[in-house]
Amino acid sequence: NAGVTQTPKFQVLKTGQSMTLQCAQDMNHNSMYWYRQDPGMGLRLIYYSASEGTTDKGEVPNGYNVSRLNKREFSLRLESAAPSQTSVYFCASSDTDQPQHFGDGTRLSIL
Amino acid sequence: GDSVTQMEGPVTLSEEAFLTINCTYTATGYPSLFWYVQYPGEGLQLLLKATKADDKGSNKGFEATYRKETTSFHLEKGSVQVSDSAVYFCALRGSGGYNKLIFGAGTRLAVHP
Repeated sequence: NAGVTQTPKFQVLKTGQSMTLQCAQDMNHNSMYWYRQDPGMGLRLIYYSASEGTTDKGEVPNGYNVSRLNKREFSLRLESAAPSQTSVYFCASSDTDQPQHFGDGTRLSIL
Repeated sequence: GDSVTQMEGPVTLSEEAFLTINCTYTATGYPSLFWYVQYPGEGLQLLLKATKADDKGSNKGFEATYRKETTSFHLEKGSVQVSDSAVYFCALRGSGGYNKLIFGAGTRLAVHP
């Protein structure tokens, strides 16, 4: 009954370091999403994948890349981390036009 | 573009008080509307939804009615409990194309015994 699993839960990076956030879902959903959550701003979409093999930019894609490795997994990569990318990152998945299911988040701090 | 505006928090209530969290939206066409709840240290969970005008979504004693004439989707509960303390997010999904959610900023609710 795992749903959406994100790893790691916490991470501290130095400016300029790279990192990949992992996400896996076991609900056989076609679509997957990456959001960031910042105080007073709700959640903003970074990238999404409507189906295996496709990815598209969301509202705030700059500084990030994604890979839809297979139907289950959707990773988010920071190539050169910046302090402005300090945030809580959420992965979500859904069937087409159905409500999204969220993971518990990755809290990322960049010094 | 599409947007969602929620009342600012925090909202602090005593147990058994009546709760209203206001949400208004701007969107073209006929969006679907959602309330999500986030408990401390967890991800967002769908609380309720409404997909067309005058629909009422309900779950766990919470209700919200899709009012197209006032572009609103206010969340209400008649008697809150300490366990309802969380952050509540209003969101919309546009009527055109992809399943993309636009979130409000969130409203923190604190319920005291």
